[in-house]
Amino acid sequence: KAGVTQTPRYLIKTRGQQVTLSCSPISGHRSVSWYQQTPGQGLQFLFEYFSETQRNKGNFPGRFSGRQFSNSRSEMNVSTLELGDSALYLCASSPWGHRSEETQYFGPGTRLLVL
Amino acid sequence: GENVEQHPSTLSVQEGDSAVIKCTYSDSASNYFPWYKQELGKRPQLIIDIRSNVGEKKDQRIAVTLNKTAKHFSLHITETQPEDSAVYFCAATLIQGAQKLVFGQGTRLTINP
Repeated sequence: KAGVTQTPRYLIKTRGQQVTLSCSPISGHRSVSWYQQTPGQGLQFLFEYFSETQRNKGNFPGRFSGRQFSNSRSEMNVSTLELGDSALYLCASSPWGHRSEETQYFGPGTRLLVL
Repeated sequence: GENVEQHPSTLSVQEGDSAVIKCTYSDSASNYFPWYKQELGKRPQLIIDIRSNVGEKKDQRIAVTLNKTAKHFSLHITETQPEDSAVYFCAATLIQGAQKLVFGQGTRLTINP
């Protein structure tokens, strides 16, 4: 099976702009989670989607949003970009997501730089 | 609140020696504890995990132990090799029925030849 894929891999934006990142989970996986990775804050949970519904959300402002499509592909959107949004954005998928102890498989990430 | 603390932040060992990384978690309801390895510029990769009903798990040179009473778990790497050099993250899931990993801050492990 192909692994988790993310597009684009690299992105440069300026403050105030918005950005949309895409994640395609492993075929058959229905749960997609998003994480932000920065040197200072480490890996932080953004949100999780299952069956097109957001099931859980981390402590990020409303500028961060997401959605999931019927084929389980997911997008996240960041509006009104700030310098501090520069980070590696990782998505991870798991088969069902019904049990918290399912293994999550990570994509390669999208590196976002905000100037 | 939900918190996972990881120590040390950096670790340097001689090739062939053992390395130990420790994590503590705050929520006693946590039931799943994966460890991820992230090489420079690459995605985190699961290397081993343990569930709350198990005290220890081994996979070749890697082992993880869990002490539920003390709320801590540890990663043990024996006979370290240069390719073990990477950043290691521990994590815990704190919510039932949903996928939410809370990660430790990471340990940068360097294996010196």
